[in-house]
Amino acid sequence: AQKVTQAQTEISVVEKEDVTLDCVYETRDTTYYLFWYKQPPSGELVFLIRRNSFDEQNEISGRYSWNFQKSTSSFNFTITASQVVDSAVYFCALVLYNNNDMRFGAGTRLTVKP
Amino acid sequence: SQTIHQWPATLVQPVGSPLSLECTVEGTSNPNLYWYRQAAGRGLQLLFYSVGIGQISSEVPQNLSASRPQDRQFILSSKKLLLSDSGFYLCAWTRGGLSYTFGSGTRLTVV
Repeated sequence: AQKVTQAQTEISVVEKEDVTLDCVYETRDTTYYLFWYKQPPSGELVFLIRRNSFDEQNEISGRYSWNFQKSTSSFNFTITASQVVDSAVYFCALVLYNNNDMRFGAGTRLTVKP
Repeated sequence: SQTIHQWPATLVQPVGSPLSLECTVEGTSNPNLYWYRQAAGRGLQLLFYSVGIGQISSEVPQNLSASRPQDRQFILSSKKLLLSDSGFYLCAWTRGGLSYTFGSGTRLTVV
């Protein structure tokens, strides 16, 4: 079985603040993928990142960074110097190698106020 | 190129009416296909997935059904809609699990 937990239901910050979105996952499999998606008010899912379970290297892309730690089964997402356009719902998701079904966390609604 | 079409974009249906949402994929063959639902203010719940024509697996018991009459066509149906069927429905496909392509979604309101 696989499970993704995003404990933060809603987060509100003021523009230019840094914010971290937490993601904790559960699986007995040793090989899997982790994803982050952004869902703006229009509803479509925007792909942000995919991480292979064998690759624990953290990644930075502009103002976005991801911290993957297998020891704590976490894949956290940090936005540096947040902007109003970052306001959206963010989903973390898990896919097992031997099962292509993507399972999502409940999502975190981020509101960035000017 | 690989694309996914999902329609309609919005739908308002009365309680007890039937439902048919269609999703088609282009530019690939033998994809895994998925239907997800997002209730208002909630996360994305996997409803159905299909690994081939006529093969449907259901994740949760519900008022909905799915069918895959062709390799790249996935249909979500209901004979009689309930108020609780309201939500945002997303179709998706993948081959191998490395990347997923999602449709633009259908916002269903049952009144």
